[in-house]
Amino acid sequence: GQQVMQIPQYQHVQEGEDFTTYCNSSTTLSNIQWYKQRPGGHPVFLIQLVKSGEVKKQKRLTFQFGEAKKNSSLHITATQTTDVGTYFCAGRLPGAGSYQLTFGKGTKLSVIP
Amino acid sequence: DSGVTQTPKHLITATGQRVTLRCSPRSGDLSVYWYQQSLDQGLQFLIQYYNGEERAKGNILERFSAQQFPDLHSELNLSSLELGDSALYFCASSVGASGRLITDTQYFGPGTRLTVL
Repeated sequence: GQQVMQIPQYQHVQEGEDFTTYCNSSTTLSNIQWYKQRPGGHPVFLIQLVKSGEVKKQKRLTFQFGEAKKNSSLHITATQTTDVGTYFCAGRLPGAGSYQLTFGKGTKLSVIP
Repeated sequence: DSGVTQTPKHLITATGQRVTLRCSPRSGDLSVYWYQQSLDQGLQFLIQYYNGEERAKGNILERFSAQQFPDLHSELNLSSLELGDSALYFCASSVGASGRLITDTQYFGPGTRLTVL
């Protein structure tokens, strides 16, 4: 079936290093959302990208949506311990499935102080 | 606090039993979504309701069912429970207004942790 793949599954970084997670879909997405889940918490919405080639920034976080709307990335500059958690991308597939979000399996980020 | 409430927070039960998980969406939200999150797994979409009607169905087992009531709260019923059903079950809600579903932001509740022994 249609899937949204996310890599890497785990990432350990030293505090201050950069971090990137990638999201890929086999089909064109209507839009993509990113969520963060802190350990023991629930997913929290970060951002939504709708347009082809869109780039959005939130402080140290940069989100990109590919030109073909099949891939996306989240880049964190100079990670901090507060960035720890699992980052999920969630794509909205066009057509009948457009009402639901298809989540990637997430990238679990650990930050070593 | 997302404004979405879920009860109970924890549930421990035995195989073969039936449980009901409850979700109250944010005030004004018409759509409710249910997700299952197993250990080291992503969020598996189960089902969505919009204003009382089933809108989308994901990988929901036949042993599971859900409904959304006139006051917009939702319940997820899990029956004939198996060990593999142990997971975190999240409810999310969104505005879900007509024409906006495609860009809806989902707000997640704190989840119900189900343990089947």
